Amino acid sequence: GNSVTQMEGPVTLSEEAFLTINCTYTATGYPSLFWYVQYPGEGLQLLLKATKADDKGSNKGFEATYRKETTSFHLEKGSVQVSDSAVYFCALSLASGGSYIPTFGRGTSLIVHP
Amino acid sequence: DGGITQSPKYLFRKEGQNVTLSCEQNLNHDAMYWYRQDPGQGLRLIYYSQIVNDFQKGDIAEGYSVSREKKESFPLTVTSAQKNPTAFYLCASSPDPLALTYEQYFGPGTRLTVT
Repeated sequence: GNSVTQMEGPVTLSEEAFLTINCTYTATGYPSLFWYVQYPGEGLQLLLKATKADDKGSNKGFEATYRKETTSFHLEKGSVQVSDSAVYFCALSLASGGSYIPTFGRGTSLIVHP
Repeated sequence: DGGITQSPKYLFRKEGQNVTLSCEQNLNHDAMYWYRQDPGQGLRLIYYSQIVNDFQKGDIAEGYSVSREKKESFPLTVTSAQKNPTAFYLCASSPDPLALTYEQYFGPGTRLTVT
């Protein structure tokens, strides 16, 4: 079946540090890939997405590139802020064997200190 | 303003009681989903519906039930058969039943506590 693996958290950084959160996937086919963000006590919201290989998704200073050769979609930001503290979820979506359900990683908590 | 509403935000129940969580969307989306979120476990799919009057079990459907009588509504009932119902419940929708390229839109969640 399909699966998404994210690096374990929490990731703790100082403000203005560089962020990388690793995400790799297993899928039989060519999925669409997503990063969602969840702030404390809230639902998830889409951060960025990429629908085919070599696409780069970007939003609010965050970027991720769809790498088919390494089956990865790592999230990066050049300079994090305290307000970026949240849980980040990597997800894929693929129609496979009659199942059309997005698959989520376990989430990576990011804590940014002033 | 289009979006998904879940009510209430916090819900408290005694063990042995059934409880229904509300989820309403005005985005005109076909597909709707219920997830359960526990600390450190990410999102686990309970039920999903790709069209009105049709729904399928997800990975952890035991002890839960749903209905989809209207496109905009997808209520979840947590029954007394659910062994460990205390959790954060998230409802989501998507314009594409295949959810291939369209993202999911999430509600704010309901935190259920059963004692």
